[in-house]
Amino acid sequence: KQEVTQIPAALSVPEGENLVLNCSFTDSAIYNLQWFRQDPGKGLTSLLLIQSSQREQTSGRLNASLDKSSGRSTLYIAASQPGDSATYLCAVFGTSYGKLTFGQGTILTVHP
Amino acid sequence: EAGVVQSPRYKIIEKKQPVAFWCNPISGHNTLYWYLQNLGQGPELLIRYENEEAVDDSQLPKDRFSAERLKGVDSTLKIQPAELGDSAVYLCASSLSKTDTQYFGPGTRLTVL
Repeated sequence: KQEVTQIPAALSVPEGENLVLNCSFTDSAIYNLQWFRQDPGKGLTSLLLIQSSQREQTSGRLNASLDKSSGRSTLYIAASQPGDSATYLCAVFGTSYGKLTFGQGTILTVHP
Repeated sequence: EAGVVQSPRYKIIEKKQPVAFWCNPISGHNTLYWYLQNLGQGPELLIRYENEEAVDDSQLPKDRFSAERLKGVDSTLKIQPAELGDSAVYLCASSLSKTDTQYFGPGTRLTVL
């Protein structure tokens, strides 16, 4: 069974800091890995999708890396802003299971 | 382009009552998903449709839950009868194919009293 773990569970930083969110998964037989953002009371918004053959993807101030062999991914957020405050979820699409398995999320708070 | 639409946004019912949720996916998306999200947890897949065919419903509690996707577009998820433990957020998502980016609706927050 695929298990996805996100560390830390919660993170509070001052505005302007660079930060890293971590995601690990137990089964390296994945097709892709996705990072999502969820605001309170809202659905999920896709941030980045990394194919299993890729090492990283970038979108604006976000950079996600993937090390499939070690079962790890990181989401790097540069120059954090209060508007970045949300829950960030990592999900892997396993080739064995044919579906997305989500981590429990990291709650990020960026204070002014 | 309109996103995934879900209704209602909130629903409060007494236990043992029936409840239904509706989802309209993004136009052209063949794959539709229903997820369950408990507080503080990531979503868990209940059922996946490819067009009108349910291709993965292994996590759907079939004794009380049912779903349908008529004409391969809109979908309805039903619970009958609801139990206290069904209180959660029910999310609908759609994608072009099962390996593409999934786009989520705002969810329906269900409270069973």
